[in-house]
Amino acid sequence: GENVEQHPSTLSVQEGDSAVIKCTYSDSASNYFPWYKQELGKRPQLIIDIRSNVGEKKDQRIAVTLNKTAKHFSLHITETQPEDSAVYFCAAIPSSGSRLTFGEGTQLTVNP
Amino acid sequence: NAGVTQTPKFQVLKTGQSMTLQCAQDMNHNSMYWYRQDPGMGLRLIYYSASEGTTDKGEVPNGYNVSRLNKREFSLRLESAAPSQTSVYFCASSPRTEANYGYTFGSGTRLTVV
Repeated sequence: GENVEQHPSTLSVQEGDSAVIKCTYSDSASNYFPWYKQELGKRPQLIIDIRSNVGEKKDQRIAVTLNKTAKHFSLHITETQPEDSAVYFCAAIPSSGSRLTFGEGTQLTVNP
Repeated sequence: NAGVTQTPKFQVLKTGQSMTLQCAQDMNHNSMYWYRQDPGMGLRLIYYSASEGTTDKGEVPNGYNVSRLNKREFSLRLESAAPSQTSVYFCASSPRTEANYGYTFGSGTRLTVV
């Protein structure tokens, strides 16, 4: 089955800096890669996703890049703000799959 | 639309008691999932239902049972609660179509077993 590894487990940045979180996956058939943000005490919420036929996708200050050859994808947050502080989860699923495989999460702290 | 609704939001059980966590979605999604999340930890899949009428075990199914009552509802039952089952439980649903695999999560049930 699919295995997703996520790094780093914790990340602390200064407000205004960029943050990058990386994930690797094992199943070359995986073709959908979402990112979820979970604020303290809240539910995980989808913030951006990418499909295997696309190399990069942007939405305002967040972007996701995908390298199919190396089987890794990354979340990039620019001009970080304190409200970006949360746990971020990456995930992957093949087209034939019935469930997402999640990474272990990254605790991002943005210091004012 | 309400999305994914979980009840109850909070529950305290004594060891050995049983209870059922309810989950309902109004988005006509095919697939539904139950996760548990321990403090400071990731999401661990308990059971899932890829489509109405089917259920499958996830990573941590021991001590739980599920029922996909209909397309909208997917319940999780603890037959004999143990302190190790103290956790936050999230239900999620997904269309699981070629166009959309994304999950929508419920707001969670915080369960404490004493």
